[in-house]
Amino acid sequence: EDQVTQSPEALRLQEGESSSLNCSYTVSGLRGLFWYRQDPGKGPEFLFTLYSAGEEKEKERLKATLTKKESFLHITAPKPEDSATYLCAVQASSTGNQFYFGTGTSLTVIP
Amino acid sequence: NAGVTQTPKFQVLKTGQSMTLQCAQDMNHEYMSWYRQDPGMGLRLIHYSVGAGITDQGEVPNGYNVSRSTTEDFPLRLLSAAPSQTSVYFCASRVDRGNEKLFFGSGTQLSVL
Repeated sequence: EDQVTQSPEALRLQEGESSSLNCSYTVSGLRGLFWYRQDPGKGPEFLFTLYSAGEEKEKERLKATLTKKESFLHITAPKPEDSATYLCAVQASSTGNQFYFGTGTSLTVIP
Repeated sequence: NAGVTQTPKFQVLKTGQSMTLQCAQDMNHEYMSWYRQDPGMGLRLIHYSVGAGITDQGEVPNGYNVSRSTTEDFPLRLLSAAPSQTSVYFCASRVDRGNEKLFFGSGTQLSVL
C-alpha cells in the first residue's frame, strides 16, 4: 500500500535552533517528491521538487534531501516567520502519477 | 497573474443542499484538480482533469461531480451535502508535463450542518 508518513507531527524550536523534518514513503516508481509550505488559512505553497536519490535543493534556511526511502527538510537557524505546516507529497507510477500527500509537520519557531 | 482563484472562501450548508465550488486559473494549465483537507489526514484527491472535456476520479470521489468545459474553469459540485463533507477544499493546477509542481488556490472552508 502506498504511504507517505511525516514526522514529527509538531515541532517547537527556539529561534536559531536548527532541526530536521522527515518524510518517509513507500511507493513504486517515484517520479518526484515535493515539499510545500502551508500557512494557516491558505493553500500550500511550493518549496522544492526532488527527483532522484542523492539530490539536494536549498532555499534560504531550508535544505531538502532525498534517499530511496525518505526525504529530510533541514531548517538552519530558523526564524519566527518559518512557522508553518510543511507538507510532503510524492508522485509515482503506483499512485497513477497523482500526488499523494503526508499529513504534515506543524513547525513553531519561538522568538 | 491571479493564479488559482477559488470562491467562496467560506460556506455553510444544511444537509441535503447542493452547491458549486468555483475554481479558475489564468496560467493556461491543462491539469486541474480538487483536494479536500481534513484534520489528521493528508490532502486527498477528489477529482482531476487533464484538459477540457476530460475528467477522472481521484481517491475520494463519492458525493462530488465535476466538469471541465474550458481550460480555465473546473467547478466542483456537491449534489446533496452531508456532514461528512465538512472540510477545507483546495483547487490545484499544473502544467501537464508529468512531474511538475502544483499551484494551489486559497481554499474553501465548507461546513455542512
